[in-house]
Amino acid sequence: QVQLQESGPGLVKPSQTLSLTCTVSGGSISSGGYSWSWIRQHPGKGLEWMAYLSYSGRIFYNPSLKSRVAISVDTSTNQFSLKLSSVTAADTAVYYCARVPEPWGQGTLVTVSS
Amino acid sequence: EIVLTQSPGTLSLSPGERATLSCRASQTVTYNFLAWYQQGPGQAPRLLIYGASSRATGVPDRFSGSGSGTDFTLTISRLEPEDFAVYYCHQYDSSPFTFGPGTKVDIK
Repeated sequence: QVQLQESGPGLVKPSQTLSLTCTVSGGSISSGGYSWSWIRQHPGKGLEWMAYLSYSGRIFYNPSLKSRVAISVDTSTNQFSLKLSSVTAADTAVYYCARVPEPWGQGTLVTVSS
Repeated sequence: EIVLTQSPGTLSLSPGERATLSCRASQTVTYNFLAWYQQGPGQAPRLLIYGASSRATGVPDRFSGSGSGTDFTLTISRLEPEDFAVYYCHQYDSSPFTFGPGTKVDIK
């Protein structure tokens, strides 16, 4: 059974780059023809799709974040990652990694504050 | 961008009642790449339905999805106490992939 787990700093300073990693266990990230996503949820709000990496290597980003966001994969460690640059308080959210359409990780809260 | 609109925003029902949730897309969702997620307080979203009408593994059969094109429905035939939560529809057909704003099902 595939499981996903997000990891990374819970506190990031404004203007810095937020970096998160999603570790996939119970299956290979490079097999099965699956695609991978990052989604976030601002406190008390709905879900916002951020980035997508297909099994064939195609990448899509939310246009509202496109200039700041990057998704990448490391098949040797069975992980994929998210980087979000120039963060502000508006980027404070719970960040989820997911295999499309499931499973999702449990989510990790990232707070942007000095 | 495909904009998803969910209605109603809040649905107040009693245990045992039937819940009907709507998700309308601004453009056709090709191949019915439409999913429904349930999110309880403090929890990660849980997949209920994918491909508009296929139940995810382990999801009780009181949950059913229907629809195609631009109109989709999630039906909960008889509400159990654990079903009171927020429900999101999500299209993963064309980028940017989008979520609806959610429907909260609360206890009447």
